[in-house]
Amino acid sequence: EAQVTQNPRYLITVTGKKLTVTCSQNMNHEYMSWYRQDPGLGLRQIYYSMNVEVTDKGDVPEGYKVSRKEKRNFPLILESPSPNQTSLYFCASRFTGTNTEAFFGQGTRLTVV
Amino acid sequence: GQNIDQPTEMTATEGAIVQINCTYQTSGFNGLFWYQQHAGEAPTFLSYNVLDGLEEKGRFSSFLSRSKGYSYLLLKELQMKDSASYLCAVRDSTNAGKSTFGDGTTLTVKP
Repeated sequence: EAQVTQNPRYLITVTGKKLTVTCSQNMNHEYMSWYRQDPGLGLRQIYYSMNVEVTDKGDVPEGYKVSRKEKRNFPLILESPSPNQTSLYFCASRFTGTNTEAFFGQGTRLTVV
Repeated sequence: GQNIDQPTEMTATEGAIVQINCTYQTSGFNGLFWYQQHAGEAPTFLSYNVLDGLEEKGRFSSFLSRSKGYSYLLLKELQMKDSASYLCAVRDSTNAGKSTFGDGTTLTVKP
């Protein structure tokens, strides 16, 4: 089954404790991205990757890191989480054509206390 | 950059028709997408428009006017399961194909 898989689905952590949210897709998509979704603010892009070893900042990259060592994986790293990073996070992937829709993971609800 | 506006909330009755509007200002346009998102779930693709006009897909249709920076999603024969948030997203022609999402319109379908 074609899918984007994120882990974990739910995470509660403490301020300053490094964490990684994994994202994997099995559709051979070149383009992958991370979004955060907050009430009243919609989906905001954190980072994106056009292909392996190519990453770039989205609209809200501060406090986050990513890597793209393999085509299928695009982990999101929070080196020192803070409470303002409490949010619902989505990973998405798609082909790079202009008319290609994005496929989203099931989301990771992160709470930083 | 992109600026996208959608109504925050709408309510409609089961069996009725509802139109959800989306307006955008863009520095480079390469298509407009509509996604459906049920509460707590991932967004899923509904439709794509890049040329002016209406695209029909079963009970859902989407319209685009590039000159007006305007799109709408039309949902016919509403069902209770259509209660969800509907996200409008514009793809940029200049910035690596980046998509910018509107805040979404929460549709409540009542019996």
